[in-house]
Amino acid sequence: GAVVSQHPSRVICKSGTSVKIECRSLDFQATTMFWYRQFPKKSLMLMATSNEGSKATYEQGVEKDKFLINHASLTLSTLTVTSAHPEDSSFYICSARDQGGGTEAFFGQGTRLTVV
Amino acid sequence: GENVGLHLPTLSVQEGDNSIINCAYSNSASDYFIWYKQESGKGPQFIIDIRSNMDKRQGQRVTVLLNKTVKHLSLQIAATQPGDSAVYFCAKIGGGKLIFGQGTELSVKP
Repeated sequence: GAVVSQHPSRVICKSGTSVKIECRSLDFQATTMFWYRQFPKKSLMLMATSNEGSKATYEQGVEKDKFLINHASLTLSTLTVTSAHPEDSSFYICSARDQGGGTEAFFGQGTRLTVV
Repeated sequence: GENVGLHLPTLSVQEGDNSIINCAYSNSASDYFIWYKQESGKGPQFIIDIRSNMDKRQGQRVTVLLNKTVKHLSLQIAATQPGDSAVYFCAKIGGGKLIFGQGTELSVKP
């Protein structure tokens, strides 16, 4: 199946710093990518929908200035957690849909963010 | 709003037995449902999907059943193996978004 690569897989940062997470579709073009957040023993919570060449659409309760999303090309979307705090520690997962394919979404490996 | 929920948070089965994981959903215009498997520390992995114009679909060792009357979805895993131990999520496409249910943690006893 299609491959979505997420980088880094793990990151530890200090409070107050910013962290960028990359999501790449390796063998297909994705006009839409999704960013999720997952707490331990919990389901995936959709944070935002990233659209290539336009502004991301954020879910209710998600701070757009806190979680900056950029989707500059058909194969890359980035999520930047700005001024990170310990409560931002979580597992972040991206997914992408093949614009030329069906409705199936392919997921990245996830990024474990720990803010100390 | 849209909602996808699961009946049980954990399920423990004996190796070789069949597993049944259930999912209920609320009123929805969605016509596409998906089951994902997530192993610890990894992203979800697609297992099988089903459209609302079907009530059953089979894959390799897995079967998904859809009952639109009672808004219920189930995943059946035949001859469950230790490698099947993971968290299983049902999900649906709603408003162009992929919405996940709560998740069921499946443990396979040797």
